[in-house]
Amino acid sequence: GEDVEQSLFLSVREGDSSVINCTYTDSSSTYLYWYKQEPGAGLQLLTYIFSNMDMKQDQRLTVLLNKKDKHLSLRIADTQTGDSAIYFCAAAGNKLTFGGGTRVLVKP
Amino acid sequence: DAGVIQSPRHEVTEMGQEVTLRCKPISGHNSLFWYRQTMMRGLELLIYFNNNVPIDDSGMPEDRFSAKMPNASFSTLKIQPSEPRDSAVYFCASSFELAGGPLNEQFFGPGTRLTVL
Repeated sequence: GEDVEQSLFLSVREGDSSVINCTYTDSSSTYLYWYKQEPGAGLQLLTYIFSNMDMKQDQRLTVLLNKKDKHLSLRIADTQTGDSAIYFCAAAGNKLTFGGGTRVLVKP
Repeated sequence: DAGVIQSPRHEVTEMGQEVTLRCKPISGHNSLFWYRQTMMRGLELLIYFNNNVPIDDSGMPEDRFSAKMPNASFSTLKIQPSEPRDSAVYFCASSFELAGGPLNEQFFGPGTRLTVL
């Protein structure tokens, strides 16, 4: 089945850019998602990209997709303390598979 | 819409007791998912239903776990008997899926934090 991998932890200074990386194994994945989980809450969809795109920008968020390498990244520009959370990528092949999550800590 | 509703939000029980977690999906959604989240194992899909029918229960850890969806607006996840290693946050999520599999955005509930002593 699909395997989705993410690094566990990222520390970044307020105002810098954050880049969260994700790899997946199912080349037939049609949609790739980024979810955000704030403390004590469920996951919320941040953004998604369709597999025939290589980039999508939404305000401070930029998603890059390298379909050949099956690599997805989420860049957050001008990172704020409110961006501290766990970020999950998810790949939709024949089912939606989540990565283990990357805990992002934003330091003032 | 109120979103996905889960109850209780917190549950503390003793080992060996039966635990029932409840979920009300978003009205109009036809797919429902139960997840478990722990620090050690991350987010795990336990089971998902489509049109009230269990489609994939390969993530259910063992026979102590069971899930039902008697109608489109209600699902339960039951653990009997519970064990300390079942302590986790259990999330319910729902989505609207066309034929072909769970591909669309899932809307998550706030979770139930279960502690088994």
